[in-house]
Amino acid sequence: EAGVTQFPSHSVIEKGQTVTLRCDPISGHDNLYWYRRVMGKEIKFLLHFVKESKQDESGMPNNRFLAERTGGTYSTLKVQPAELEDSGVYFCASSQDSDYLGNYGYTFGSGTRLTVV
Amino acid sequence: GIQVEQSPPDLILQEGANSTLRCNFSDSVNNLQWFHQNPWGQLINLFYIPSGTKQNGRLSATTVATERYSLLYISSSQTTDSGVYFCARAPSGGSYIPTFGRGTSLIVHP
Repeated sequence: EAGVTQFPSHSVIEKGQTVTLRCDPISGHDNLYWYRRVMGKEIKFLLHFVKESKQDESGMPNNRFLAERTGGTYSTLKVQPAELEDSGVYFCASSQDSDYLGNYGYTFGSGTRLTVV
Repeated sequence: GIQVEQSPPDLILQEGANSTLRCNFSDSVNNLQWFHQNPWGQLINLFYIPSGTKQNGRLSATTVATERYSLLYISSSQTTDSGVYFCARAPSGGSYIPTFGRGTSLIVHP
């Protein structure tokens, strides 16, 4: 079974440019999550999709971030325009059941390291 | 909000050494997990352990929910144990959106 795939693995862009990150969850997982880790800090929740719907986007930092999940399959996270403070590692995770108490667990992708210069 | 604190922030070991990583949390726990971010960046589930003790090979974890902490033990460390270890917890019931600690960065030298 393929895991959670994220693309690209690294991205270096200039301030003001646009970047789109992609996440392919495990097939059949309705729940997809985006997280971000700024260097040296904790991993912070960004948003949660259930199929194609945004269940919780309380962690999105501002309106420069736009997440979509077309057809309930893969998801994209677009940052436009990128700022220096957007640098960090963006993780995607998927799970079978959102009302989960740890029995199934998250499966995380390898992350996209974004550097804004 | 929920606070999750990890210690130490950094740890350097020689191969073969043992170590203990700690996770303190501010609220009662119903979900507590340990993750390992390996050198390739991937986050791997290690343990789901809201209470008690679990062991998996050279790794074991203990959560004392009444005292609001969890410990991750690594015995006979190997270079492949290097990476960042995170603990995470979430409130009981409903949707699981965990709060992560800042992680413990572990380097194991050969």
